[in-house]
Amino acid sequence: NAGVTQTPKFQVLKTGQSMTLQCAQDMNHEYMSWYRQDPGMGLRLIHYSVGAGITDQGEVPNGYNVSRSTTEDFPLRLLSAAPSQTSVYFCASSFSDRASYGYTFGSGTRLTVV
Amino acid sequence: AQTVTQSQPEMSVQEAETVTLSCTYDTSESDYYLFWYKQPPSRQMILVIRQEAYKQQNATENRFSVNFQKAAKSFSLKISDSQLGDAAMYFCAYHYGGSQGNLIFGKGTKLSVKP
Repeated sequence: NAGVTQTPKFQVLKTGQSMTLQCAQDMNHEYMSWYRQDPGMGLRLIHYSVGAGITDQGEVPNGYNVSRSTTEDFPLRLLSAAPSQTSVYFCASSFSDRASYGYTFGSGTRLTVV
Repeated sequence: AQTVTQSQPEMSVQEAETVTLSCTYDTSESDYYLFWYKQPPSRQMILVIRQEAYKQQNATENRFSVNFQKAAKSFSLKISDSQLGDAAMYFCAYHYGGSQGNLIFGKGTKLSVKP
């Protein structure tokens, strides 16, 4: 049981480049979400999904796109990377009727935009 | 809007001693849940303890316990018999919106444990 798998673990991008952060879970969780963690800011919600085909914006969605074509995968796309997107990104998941029991987090992706 | 405040950016404790991390939150909801997450240097987010707002009894998990004061909107974490492995960032988090809500995190407290 792999849990929540994020790839890559580290990435350096140049300003203006695009990339996709991958997130996959094998627990059949309906709910998946993306957070970014910045020093002194805690974790802030970017986008979330309550099931395949359904996504919604969180607190800091600008500059990011998501889609949910399958239950297992929830990729996060940066269309034109900016230095302000330098951060650690976490994917999390849970059963939709048990989100209040806590989420399972991936190990994070450290992204640097130069 | 719901907010979570951790007023202690850094804390330090001697090994085997007890330390309390503070957390306050603001909400108008009656149905919510509160969490403490631990983030060691490995970066992994680990659920430490969970509290249901409608339960008056404070949650405990081995050496970890909470002091939940609903009227004061306070949710502190007590770590007893501190160990070197307890050194980490600790995040307080609030979950709202029933079963399909989202987590709101505080900014975190960095805990150091001195041998």
